[in-house]
Amino acid sequence: DTAVSQTPKYLVTQMGNDKSIKCEQNLGHDTMYWYKQDSKKFLKIMFSYNNKELIINETVPNRFSPKSPDKAHLNLHINSLELGDSAVYFCASSSLAGNEQFFGPGTRLTVL
Amino acid sequence: QKEVEQNSGPLSVPEGAIASLNCTYSDRGSQSFFWYRQYSGKSPELIMFIYSNGDKEDGRFTAQLNKASQYVSLLIRDSQPSDSATYLCAVINYGQNFVFGPGTRLSVLP
Repeated sequence: DTAVSQTPKYLVTQMGNDKSIKCEQNLGHDTMYWYKQDSKKFLKIMFSYNNKELIINETVPNRFSPKSPDKAHLNLHINSLELGDSAVYFCASSSLAGNEQFFGPGTRLTVL
Repeated sequence: QKEVEQNSGPLSVPEGAIASLNCTYSDRGSQSFFWYRQYSGKSPELIMFIYSNGDKEDGRFTAQLNKASQYVSLLIRDSQPSDSATYLCAVINYGQNFVFGPGTRLSVLP
């Protein structure tokens, strides 16, 4: 039984398209996150979100938007995809902001 | 200065040796410190966390924290080839933000 799951695992798409990545956690955690890991393997936080507060990393383009239908899900929508968006995107969750995080398996996004 | 710094490596050690991984952080108000391991093509997995100055041991792993020097390290005793991975240091800073270092690639040679 997977704790943090993401779909799809791989996503290949053309520049300019709009795509979504889904994330679900069954840990009962209150806080969820999205990270981007680029080709240099640097893991950079994009968003953190609980039911009450969305914290956006100010360097994230507004083409990226998180959407949370409920506490167990945090989806990532990306509009007008660019070549530089190619990376691995990880979803994570923690019981509270500030506690250890558990990561999903990642989604490798390739923009052609 | 980056908020969390690590040597990128690769750090190569022979099998059975002690691997020492180091991390420094800039926010003196940081309270919580984590070590994650990431195998190639996989997601980061938590190895240890430490909150207080001193050492914390878990099996072959020992985390060491020195808040005065703003330094946290991870020692891996009796290193095995299966320990070969990238090790990510993460810090929760004063603003309750989770910040990762760039990671150190460890290679344990049989």
